[in-house]
Amino acid sequence: GEDVEQSLFLSVREGDSSVINCTYTDSSSTYLYWYKQEPGAGLQLLTYIFSNMDMKQDQRLTVLLNKKDKHLSLRIADTQTGDSAIYFCAESITGGSYIPTFGRGTSLIVHP
Amino acid sequence: EAGVAQSPRYKIIEKRQSVAFWCNPISGHATLYWYQQILGQGPKLLIQFQNNGVVDDSQLPKDRFSAERLKGVDSTLKIQPAKLEDSAVYLCASSSRGISYEQYFGPGTRLTVT
Repeated sequence: GEDVEQSLFLSVREGDSSVINCTYTDSSSTYLYWYKQEPGAGLQLLTYIFSNMDMKQDQRLTVLLNKKDKHLSLRIADTQTGDSAIYFCAESITGGSYIPTFGRGTSLIVHP
Repeated sequence: EAGVAQSPRYKIIEKRQSVAFWCNPISGHATLYWYQQILGQGPKLLIQFQNNGVVDDSQLPKDRFSAERLKGVDSTLKIQPAKLEDSAVYLCASSSRGISYEQYFGPGTRLTVT
């Protein structure tokens, strides 16, 4: 199966919070990442968390890591229409060259 | 700071033809990556360069794909001959030596093989 799994779609109303979930399989993951991809564009690194952390907050973004369950989530507070994009979860492992293994991406649709 | 530049943005070719993509990384970034992103999937690494040397090309289909970074700056990725399954977006990314976990991606080249 996939090393990194995400649900494919999420639809939210503007102003609500969005929570995008991800599970990974490799227990030796060092860094876990969230990337954003807008239509026709490359990937933008939104945030990352080191595996010895439980939480990281950056403005409207909150990343939660449950290492026991190998579960990562990205919460976007006060979601705006400009947040509509595909969000990729990724992991890189200890001893590697930080090459991320990506999930298939979650398409976030924000409607008024 | 200028981002990662790629060209062309779009390319349509017939199967068995050849194609080349170009990437200019962020100035000063020693590490350069080429990824293949098939529709509906996440990017998958094809090759990683550190300066002008190859670090990892284990996922590069070497019978048809080649890449070079002769002067440690720009890079080209070539496919010869192309197959239908090569239709994808080819993404270039770069990172600085000390912060390899922060990769910066270019806009990609969308290749359609007919």
